[in-house]
Amino acid sequence: AQSVSQHNHHVILSEAASLELGCNYSYGGTVNLFWYVQYPGQHLQLLLKYFSGDPLVKGIKGFEAEFIKSKFSFNLRKPSVQWSDTAEYFCAVGRRDDKIIFGKGTRLHILP
Amino acid sequence: NAGVTQTPKFQVLKTGQSMTLQCAQDMNHEYMSWYRQDPGMGLRLIHYSVGAGITDQGEVPNGYNVSRSTTEDFPLRLLSAAPSQTSVYFCASWRGANSPLHFGNGTRLTVT
Repeated sequence: AQSVSQHNHHVILSEAASLELGCNYSYGGTVNLFWYVQYPGQHLQLLLKYFSGDPLVKGIKGFEAEFIKSKFSFNLRKPSVQWSDTAEYFCAVGRRDDKIIFGKGTRLHILP
Repeated sequence: NAGVTQTPKFQVLKTGQSMTLQCAQDMNHEYMSWYRQDPGMGLRLIHYSVGAGITDQGEVPNGYNVSRSTTEDFPLRLLSAAPSQTSVYFCASWRGANSPLHFGNGTRLTVT
C-alpha cells in the first residue's frame, strides 16, 4: 500500500537556524510530490510541488525541496528560518490522475 | 472565484445521528477528495473521486459514504455518527494531471 513517512514529528529551532524536514514515500511508478503548510487556525497552503524535471524545486517563502528518486525522498529545506515559519508541515504524494495521500505532519516551532 | 466551499464550519452531533458535510467547487476540477485531520495523524484520505459518477475508497472509509452526481459537488455522509468520527474534515479538489490540491476551510465535527 502507498504510504508517506515524515520522520520528524516535532522540531524546535531558533530563528536563523537551517531547516530540513524529511519525507519518504512508498509509491510505485512516477509520482507527484507536494509540501503543504498549515499555520495555526488556517487550512493547508501549498509550499511547493514537484511533477518532473529539475529535482530541486523552489517554493514560496524561501523554501525548497529536493527529489531523490533512488531514495524515495522529498526533503524540505530552508537556509534560515523565521519566527513566522512556526506551523505544521505536511508532505503529500500522488500519482498522475490518482489519489493524493499525506504524511502525519511535522510541527515546527521557531524560538524568537 | 469562491474556490472550494465547505459547509457547515462547525457541527455537534449525538452518537447515532446522521448528517451530510457539503463540499462544492467552482473551478471545474475533475478530482475531489475528503480528508480528516486528527492530532498526530496528519490528513487521512476518506474517499475520493476522479470524475462525476466515479468514487473510490481512501485510507479510512469506514462509516462514511460519498457520491458524485455533478462535477461541482462531493458530499460526505455520516450514516450513524460515532465519537471516533470527531475530527476536522477537509474537502479538496484538483484538476488532475500534475496539479496541486485546493482545500476548503474545513468542518470541525464533534460527536458526543
